Amino acid sequence: DQQVKQNSPSLSVQEGRISILNCDYTNSMFDYFLWYKKYPAEGPTFLISISSIKDKNEDGRFTVFLNKSAKHLSLHIVPSQPGDSAVYFCAASGVYNQGGKLIFGQGTELSVKP
Amino acid sequence: KAGVTQTPRYLIKTRGQQVTLSCSPISGHRSVSWYQQTPGQGLQFLFEYFSETQRNKGNFPGRFSGRQFSNSRSEMNVSTLELGDSALYLCASSLQGLAGELFFGEGSRLTVL
Repeated sequence: DQQVKQNSPSLSVQEGRISILNCDYTNSMFDYFLWYKKYPAEGPTFLISISSIKDKNEDGRFTVFLNKSAKHLSLHIVPSQPGDSAVYFCAASGVYNQGGKLIFGQGTELSVKP
Repeated sequence: KAGVTQTPRYLIKTRGQQVTLSCSPISGHRSVSWYQQTPGQGLQFLFEYFSETQRNKGNFPGRFSGRQFSNSRSEMNVSTLELGDSALYLCASSLQGLAGELFFGEGSRLTVL
């Protein structure tokens, strides 16, 4: 039972344009959402997060939007740069769920072409 | 500040053997969690330790086990290895393990032949 889903395994975008990565979840108990970026041969690194009490969070070129009614979140990267090419994972957690347990999606591989 | 260190980085085992992977968290971090990454499956939670106690466990068979030492270092063990155990095993640490960002190591790549 995949509680967090990233339905697009890959995404290709031109440099300078917007990248939009999507993520859906099924568990309404999730109240904290995160995005991680992973380069080959490296561990995932934290990118940005959002609490369920918000619907938007920005950090530089990265913005995460949360639509609780649709159980959907998205990561916008503007403008996209070739260095953004990586696999992006969304993850979710719940207050009920103590400890470092995150439920991850399958990942979306972003390719930003110069 | 040193990051999360995992050893070994790569290893090859045969079916039926066992393996032990090690993780040294960021200094001061008391929570260590383990994840398995396989192609198409994303990262799947194995277990989490906080102050030497297993606080959370994922949906993996009993062949997967772990422990945490008083210095917060952690080990995970997989016994009676199967081909399907081939994966990247990632360790992550955090200050208290509450919902929030985890700091991942580079992982241990296990290949089972």
